[in-house]
Amino acid sequence: EVQLLESGGGLVQPGGSLRLSCAASGFTFSNYAMTWVRQGPLKGLEWVSAISGPGGDIYYADSVKGRFTLSRDNSKNTLYLQMNSLRADDTGIYYCAKNRDVGVAAYDYWGQGTLVTVSS
Amino acid sequence: DIQMTQSPSSLSASVGDRVTITCRASQSISSYLHWYQQKPGKAPKLLIYTASSLQTGVPSRFSGSGSGTDFTLTISSLQPEDVATYYCQQSYSAPLTFGPGTKVDI
Repeated sequence: EVQLLESGGGLVQPGGSLRLSCAASGFTFSNYAMTWVRQGPLKGLEWVSAISGPGGDIYYADSVKGRFTLSRDNSKNTLYLQMNSLRADDTGIYYCAKNRDVGVAAYDYWGQGTLVTVSS
Repeated sequence: DIQMTQSPSSLSASVGDRVTITCRASQSISSYLHWYQQKPGKAPKLLIYTASSLQTGVPSRFSGSGSGTDFTLTISSLQPEDVATYYCQQSYSAPLTFGPGTKVDI
């Protein structure tokens, strides 16, 4: 059974940092691209960042470029999102998600989400 | 960036009704369009990928069509458990983008 378990969310002041983790199990982690998607309070879904299976290709939304860093450790089956210079509009639930297929970024499994709150 | 729009933003229908949601891309995205269902307090669930392929385990009353810039999600016979918000998403080019969502009520 595929499982994705996010952790690392919490309350942080503007300008602060957090590191989110997503522990994966039930599939060959290194074979699949992975993604972070966030959802602000009462808002829609926003794609944040994605990384290829081997980790060599990484993409970011313009809203987080230069502040967030995505990485993965395939030996630990874990995805990471380092978030720096956090702003109030980064507040929301952060989901990690697994690509369904190579070359098609549709997300067939999602974690339960971890809440990030940026507030003073 | 490719912008995605959806219509309507919300709808109310009766059980058994046929429901259609439209998604439009600001430029051609071939068939790189996917549909998700999200219920309150839950993570999104993949319904349809590459415009018309039904995800494993999704009821056959859900179907998708379209290519290029215009796409539709159809629920052939609305059920109470289909109350949710539906999002389209393009994966043609980064940054990947979602539509604003369509809220479906009974």
